[in-house]
Amino acid sequence: GESVGLHLPTLSVQEGDNSIINCAYSNSASDYFIWYKQESGKGPQFIIDIRSNMDKRQGQRVTVLLNKTVKHLSLQIAATQPGDSAVYFCAENIGGYSTLTFGKGTMLLVSP
Amino acid sequence: EAGVVQSPRYKIIEKKQPVAFWCNPISGHNTLYWYRQNLGQGPELLIRYENEEAVDDSQLPKDRFSAERLKGVDSTLKIQPAELGDSAVYLCASSLDRVQPQHFGDGTRLSIL
Repeated sequence: GESVGLHLPTLSVQEGDNSIINCAYSNSASDYFIWYKQESGKGPQFIIDIRSNMDKRQGQRVTVLLNKTVKHLSLQIAATQPGDSAVYFCAENIGGYSTLTFGKGTMLLVSP
Repeated sequence: EAGVVQSPRYKIIEKKQPVAFWCNPISGHNTLYWYRQNLGQGPELLIRYENEEAVDDSQLPKDRFSAERLKGVDSTLKIQPAELGDSAVYLCASSLDRVQPQHFGDGTRLSIL
């Protein structure tokens, strides 16, 4: 079946750098995407979402970019901090929020 | 506001034993989800409730898994009997309704011996 996947399993950056986490999706019918952050021993924490009628959305220090042409989603974190170290998941949904399909995750490691 | 509360945080049992997980969603959230997360993987939906009705249980292994949300608030997920492959983190999430973002609890880590 179709699924959401991530290009990089681990991303290591220095504190203060900008981070980019990528996600490829294969279901062209997906119309809603979410990024979650999961710290060790905790549940996923909502970061930011975007609908398919948008190509960019900004939050506090985070930006999500959506390229429907190549079915690609990215999460940009500005001025990465050690507290940003976690596993990041993208998730997709068709027709609303109800059933999310998660990718496998990318671990972000931030060095002081 | 208080988040999604799950208990227990950890559970270790022998195979073939029963086990149950409990979830208290965020107050006022009508939609409740149970997910299973294997190590290094993203969460996978097991069942979704709209109030007390299970509206999507297509991924729930019904031969051994059951869930209930009798009063449309708290929910329990049960496995009987547990198998070695059931070792995972079981996450509960809730949302105001099906078109609002889902908020997750910290999960129950289940280990089967």
